[in-house]
Amino acid sequence: DVKVTQSSRYLVKRTGEKVFLECVQDMDHENMFWYRQDPGLGLRLIYFSYDVKMKEKGDIPEGYSVSREKKERFSLILESASTNQTSMYLCASSFNSGSSTDTQYFGPGTRLTVL
Amino acid sequence: AQSVTQPDIHITVSEGASLELRCNYSYGATPYLFWYVQSPGQGLQLLLKYFSGDTLVQGIKGFEAEFKRSQSSFNLRKPSVHWSDAAEYFCAVAPGESGGGADGLTFGKGTHLIIQP
Repeated sequence: DVKVTQSSRYLVKRTGEKVFLECVQDMDHENMFWYRQDPGLGLRLIYFSYDVKMKEKGDIPEGYSVSREKKERFSLILESASTNQTSMYLCASSFNSGSSTDTQYFGPGTRLTVL
Repeated sequence: AQSVTQPDIHITVSEGASLELRCNYSYGATPYLFWYVQSPGQGLQLLLKYFSGDTLVQGIKGFEAEFKRSQSSFNLRKPSVHWSDAAEYFCAVAPGESGGGADGLTFGKGTHLIIQP
């Protein structure tokens, strides 16, 4: 079974703190994604990566950065957390066969609260 | 850019009754279409996906969906729901043949399914 794990299920941070959200997948997937999920808004793509050290902006990258130093690990970084970044963060991974048909597999999510 | 509309925020269905969740998309060509389910406290699980060919797609847990190009729709159906089907359901699209291989999905806002005993 594909497994995507996220370092924390729940996280509470203070405004201005630097926050790291970690995601690890064990299926040797090339692609990895970070989404945030908010009630009434569904999931929105923050950043994605199709290879080590490669990254692409998604629909809402402002206030976030990412790091992909190893194929299996994709980190989302909040340089200076703000209250409007309180959300559920979901990581996903997929193969890259050169098609958008590849299924994305999701982790369980990290619920981040910024006070 | 593609977009997805799920017109129903909440749907309540009696256990054993049939279910249809609506999804409409906006995209210039034929997109790739997905339905995901999210149970409380869980990540998203893929129910089914459509790329090409037969417009009626079978998925897991007894779900099916039908792609209707003329209506830009990809509605999810189940003939008889179970209490364990209570969850959040998301329709999503990805660019079709003209798209790249590492594009993220565009999701609808979700439909919350409530099952009445």
